[in-house]
This record gives sequence, C-alpha cells and structure tokens, in this order.
Amino acid sequence: DVVMTQSPLSLPVTLGQPASISCRSSQSLVHSNGNTYLNWFQQRPGQSPRRLIYKVSNRDSGVPDRFSGSGSGTDFTLKISRVEAEDVGVYYCMQATHWPRTFGQGTKVDIK
Amino acid sequence: QVQLVESGGGVVQPGRSLRLSCAASGFTFSSFSMHWVRRAPGKGLEWVACIWEDGSNKHYADSVRGRFTISRDNSKNTLNLQMDSLRAEDTAVYYCVRGKEGFDFWGQGTLVTVSS
Repeated sequence: DVVMTQSPLSLPVTLGQPASISCRSSQSLVHSNGNTYLNWFQQRPGQSPRRLIYKVSNRDSGVPDRFSGSGSGTDFTLKISRVEAEDVGVYYCMQATHWPRTFGQGTKVDIK
Repeated sequence: QVQLVESGGGVVQPGRSLRLSCAASGFTFSSFSMHWVRRAPGKGLEWVACIWEDGSNKHYADSVRGRFTISRDNSKNTLNLQMDSLRAEDTAVYYCVRGKEGFDFWGQGTLVTVSS
C-alpha cells in the first residue's frame, strides 16, 4: 500500500500568517494516464470532510484563493497564504492513483 | 445540487451485522464510482471500499475485506454497505463519497458503534 506521511501533525498558527503542510508518498503518484491524483481535504470540527484541492494544484469551486497546492511525484505541499479563523480543522492529503486509496494521518490546524 | 444522505447507523454488538445506505441525488448516479470512507473516534480518515459505476468492479481495504460488501442500485440511486462480523475497531462515522479519483462530494456521515 502507498503510505502517505504528513508533517507536521499539529500546526498552531497566528491569524494572518502563512501556514504550510507537507505530504510525502512512499511511491510515485503519477498514474499511467499521466495524471497525479493527489487531493487535499479540510475537516472542520463537527463537519464532513470537504475537498479543497484535486490533482495536486486545482482548487475546488468556492475554495478561497489563499489555499494552494503544489508538488510532484512523491512530494506535495498545501499552503495557506494568510490563515483565518475559519481555517481551523484537520487537513488530510489522499492519493487516488493506486489501490487501496490512502490518506495521510491528518494535520490539526488551530490558532495560537 | 449534489446530495448524499447516509442512514442505517446505530449501536450493534460485536459479531453482529449492520447495513448502511446512501441516497444520492442531484447528479447522474450511474455515471460515478462511489466510496465508503470512515473516521474512528480520535483517528484520521480511512478508505473502506469502492464500487465502479456499473458495479462491475469493487475494491476493499484489507481491514474489511471478507466482512464488508459494497453494492449499489442505480435504478434507486442508492449505495449500500453490508457490514458483517463487526468488531469494536469498526466503530466510526461512515461517509458516502462520490468519484473514483475525485472524492469531490461527501455525505454528512452515519455513526456506527460496535459495543457489547
């Protein structure tokens, strides 16, 4: 199975400051069709997960442009340019290139 | 708009069975693969199972293979998860999710508690 490793697992941030989460996979996420199926999700307290980013860097409709995704191969990053109070929650990366689909452990973002 | 509504959760004893359902609306259900994903208390997300658009292929996590069965009824826009031989470690909120690679829409989840 592809192991997804996130860091850090806990991320206290100051409002208005940037934040960054790393996600590394144990093997390349480049599919045979050339796509890289790396998604990022946000789960706010008491809510269902919500997809923020798909295929590494594509932002979902309605997602603020302060969220961005980057990376390639086995190394990926989610960045928040200026953290707002509504960004508190747990963030997960997930690969959908290989079976079984696998998630990172989650990164808990809260306000200092 | 896309809606996924799970039902069927509850409290069940170890070794017993439970069947979850997910009612889909707002999109062409038969055109999308569907998944079940769970989150155990205090833990992260875990992918459980997937079924392709026409039901021809199914994939399972090792932790549930042989005990859980995913199915769908495209005439009723419904996704199901038959869970047999339940264990305490199956206690979680179970989410119905759309899309083979996309995981773009999630239901609100249904809580399954396995306890004697």
